Amino acid sequence: SQQGEEDPQALSIQEGENATMNCSYKTSINNLQWYRQNSGRGLVHLILIRSNEREKHSGRLRVTLDTSKKSSSLLITASRAADTASYFCATPLAGNTPLVFGKGTRLSVIA
Amino acid sequence: GAGVSQSPRYKVAKRGQDVALRCDPISGHVSLFWYQQALGQGPEFLTYFQNEAQLDKSGLPSDRFFAERPEGSVSTLKIQRTQQEDSAVYLCASSLLGGLSILGNYNEQFFGPGTRLTVL
Repeated sequence: SQQGEEDPQALSIQEGENATMNCSYKTSINNLQWYRQNSGRGLVHLILIRSNEREKHSGRLRVTLDTSKKSSSLLITASRAADTASYFCATPLAGNTPLVFGKGTRLSVIA
Repeated sequence: GAGVSQSPRYKVAKRGQDVALRCDPISGHVSLFWYQQALGQGPEFLTYFQNEAQLDKSGLPSDRFFAERPEGSVSTLKIQRTQQEDSAVYLCASSLLGGLSILGNYNEQFFGPGTRLTVL
């Protein structure tokens, strides 16, 4: 079973625009992670936000977390064609135990 | 430093065949995870090792699936009598530390490129 649900399922934008993806989850978490997957580089960890954090930045990425709504968002600013990929949110059940992934958002950035 | 490697990258099997998928984790990583990713879906957990001990195999879909990590390094996922529904990408991940960590502790999982299994 999958804990996270990303929306939208697919998103197509022009290069230079911002892309926002959302994730909702079901159970309590101690952190939430975002991953990117494309055919060239496999599944790559992007950013982690802990349950006691509300916002985190890394380069062109901005992640927010609202534990009261059990939701997170990933914002990619000034998108590039190379950002074309699937993006997944994932939460560990506890500590180092396995990650539970959502179904992902497929982002296409058109040059 | 090499990342997680998996072999083969692609495998085509006839229904009923047995297959073995290999994962070489990052050297020194204690934990190793196997995930199954169906087309258009997110990865789903199969099983987890800490060193050579298989601590959780709750995600294995049937008794046709078997995983081992006999020396606490390389792991093999074996699927017996493959079925068409086994077609998926099988991902391996490793992380440095093992065990249940304290609340808020984080051990990043590093993923391999996956093995794409197609069962005809």
